[in-house]
Amino acid sequence: GAVVSQHPSWVICKSGTSVKIECRSLDFQATTMFWYRQFPKQSLMLMATSNEGSKATYEQGVEKDKFLINHASLTLSTLTVTSAHPEDSSFYICSARPADRGTSEAFFGQGTRLTVV
Amino acid sequence: GENVEQHPSTLSVQEGDSAVIKCTYSDSASNYFPWYKQELGKRPQLIIDIRSNVGEKKDQRIAVTLNKTAKHFSLHITETQPEDSAVYFCAASIGGNTPLVFGKGTRLSVIA
Repeated sequence: GAVVSQHPSWVICKSGTSVKIECRSLDFQATTMFWYRQFPKQSLMLMATSNEGSKATYEQGVEKDKFLINHASLTLSTLTVTSAHPEDSSFYICSARPADRGTSEAFFGQGTRLTVV
Repeated sequence: GENVEQHPSTLSVQEGDSAVIKCTYSDSASNYFPWYKQELGKRPQLIIDIRSNVGEKKDQRIAVTLNKTAKHFSLHITETQPEDSAVYFCAASIGGNTPLVFGKGTRLSVIA
């Protein structure tokens, strides 16, 4: 299978600060990556689709100025939570679907547990 | 856009019994339907998937069935074991480079 690596796995930050989460495809090129958010005991909700070399597409209700996405290379997408507040505390997870493996399978990063205090 | 409904939200079974989780989807263009097992704080783990050109797929104790006409698919786990206890999610996508849309999840408890 393909490997998607996400960093950091957990982070604690103070309210008002910004946090950057990295998502890397280690053994394939990912022109598109997906960012999900998962609150406790809930499902994975798509936040945005990250496109290499162009602007991300955000789902309805997700503030693009608060959740900055950059996809500057074919193997790296970053999500920056700006001016984080306690309600942003959640499990953030990225995903990518390799186009050259003959499979529809999606591969997930390890996830990042963000706690804003 | 796609909407995926999943039932039940919780399910308790005795060890050795079967468990069935059902999902429906709304977009007839969806053609890929994976099932994931997720343990607390971990990434979802693919346990089985099915494409729309197949009606059933089995892998040891796990099977998935798909009814395209009715737009529903189901996960079947036979001979359940305590280690099967987890949260299970169904998902659907159009395929290609599109995102998965997840159901709300089912918390399965297998009682020894």
